[in-house]
Amino acid sequence: GENVEQHPSTLSVQEGDSAVIKCTYSDSASNYFPWYKQELGKRPQLIIDIRSNVGEKKDQRIAVTLNKTAKHFSLHITETQPEDSAVYFCAASIPRWKTQGGSEKLVFGKGTKLTVNP
Amino acid sequence: GAGVSQSPRYKVTKRGQDVALRCDPISGHVSLYWYRQALGQGPEFLTYFNYEAQQDKSGLPNDRFSAERPEGSISTLTIQRTEQRDSAMYRCASSPGISGVLTFGAGSRLTVL
Repeated sequence: GENVEQHPSTLSVQEGDSAVIKCTYSDSASNYFPWYKQELGKRPQLIIDIRSNVGEKKDQRIAVTLNKTAKHFSLHITETQPEDSAVYFCAASIPRWKTQGGSEKLVFGKGTKLTVNP
Repeated sequence: GAGVSQSPRYKVTKRGQDVALRCDPISGHVSLYWYRQALGQGPEFLTYFNYEAQQDKSGLPNDRFSAERPEGSISTLTIQRTEQRDSAMYRCASSPGISGVLTFGAGSRLTVL
């Protein structure tokens, strides 16, 4: 089955610096890669996602890049702010045609705890 | 509703008791997923439904775990004869369709003493 590895497990940066979190996946059929942000005591919330027909997607200070050949994707946060501090989870989908029941199923990484120091 | 609602938010029970966790998805969302999240870990898939049909239960750890969504809306995850290793955050998520974005609920934190 799909396996998602996420690195690093913790990341500490100074305010204003960039942060990069990387994930690798095992199933070459995966085609949807979302990133979730989970603040302390709160629910995971989608911050950006990418499908495999594009290589990069940006939304203000965050961007995701995808390399399907190498089976890895990355989250980039520029000009980090203290409110970016949270745990970030990547996920890769098992595509519909490979799942029981025909819906996409997400497999999550173990998370990266990002701390932005003022 | 406006978001995915879960109840109870916190449940403390004694080993051997049964528990039922409830999820009310976003109105109109077709797909409903149950995940379990251990402390410091990512969400781990348990099961999902399209409408009232349970399509995949491959993630349920054993036969003490079951789930239903009888009318295609609210879902209940039931754990029978709870064990300490069942302690975790149980999260529900819903999606508008079979390939949609997941919206998570706040979760039900289960503690088995």
